[in-house]
Amino acid sequence: AQSVAQPEDQVNVAEGNPLTVKCTYSVSGNPYLFWYVQYPNRGLQFLLKYITGDNLVKGSYGFEAEFNKSQTSFHLKKPSALVSDSALYFCAVRRDAGNMLTFGGGTRLMVKP
Amino acid sequence: GAVVSQHPSRVICKSGTSVKIECRSLDFQATTMFWYRQFPKQSLMLMATSNEGSKATYEQGVEKDKFLINHASLTLSTLTVTSAHPEDSSFYICSARDFRARTSGIYEQYFGPGTRLTVT
Repeated sequence: AQSVAQPEDQVNVAEGNPLTVKCTYSVSGNPYLFWYVQYPNRGLQFLLKYITGDNLVKGSYGFEAEFNKSQTSFHLKKPSALVSDSALYFCAVRRDAGNMLTFGGGTRLMVKP
Repeated sequence: GAVVSQHPSRVICKSGTSVKIECRSLDFQATTMFWYRQFPKQSLMLMATSNEGSKATYEQGVEKDKFLINHASLTLSTLTVTSAHPEDSSFYICSARDFRARTSGIYEQYFGPGTRLTVT
C-alpha cells in the first residue's frame, strides 16, 4: 500500500517570506513523487515531480521540493511567497510507472500581503 | 503540455435525474482515464479507472451502477451519475494518462479542470 501525509491543513505566511508545505510518504520500493496546486473550482495543475536524480527538484512558478529518502519526505518550498500563491496544494505518490496516484489530504496555503 | 477538458464545468440537476460529464484529451490519446471525486476542503478520491474499450475498474465503495463510466474512444471518457441525489453533489475531476509521454519510464498524467455537480 502507498500513502501520503500532509500534516498541516493550512499554512499561513507573509508575502515575501519563504514558505514550506510538508509532505511525507510511505511506499514500497522507489517512489515517484508529485506536487499539484488547485485554485478554487479548478482542476489540479502540475507543479513538479521527483522520479530519479537530484534530490532538489525545481518546478513551475518558482517552487522547488527536496526529496529526502531517509525521512521519507518531499517538502514543497519557495524562497519568497506571493499572494497569488494562495491555493490548495496536494502531494501525491506513485509506486511505479504504471501505478495510480495516491494523494495527500491537501494543505491550504494562505499568503497575506 | 497536454490538455484535458471537461464538460460541463458546472451543472445543476434535480434529484432523481441523470447527469453526464464528458472528459476529453485534446491533443493526445489516452488509453487510460481516471475519475476522481472531491468533497469541499478534502482530497481527491479515486472513483474508477477507465481503459479504452473495456469495462472500468471501480474503487471499493463506489457504486458502479450509479456512476456509469464509458471510455469508447481514445480521447473521450464519460461519467454518468444516475438517479442523482443531493449527496452526490461534489466536484468531479477526470485525469488522462498519455502513454506516448514517459519520463524515466513513468507515464504522464494530466488533469481536467473539474465539473461542479449540484443536485437539488
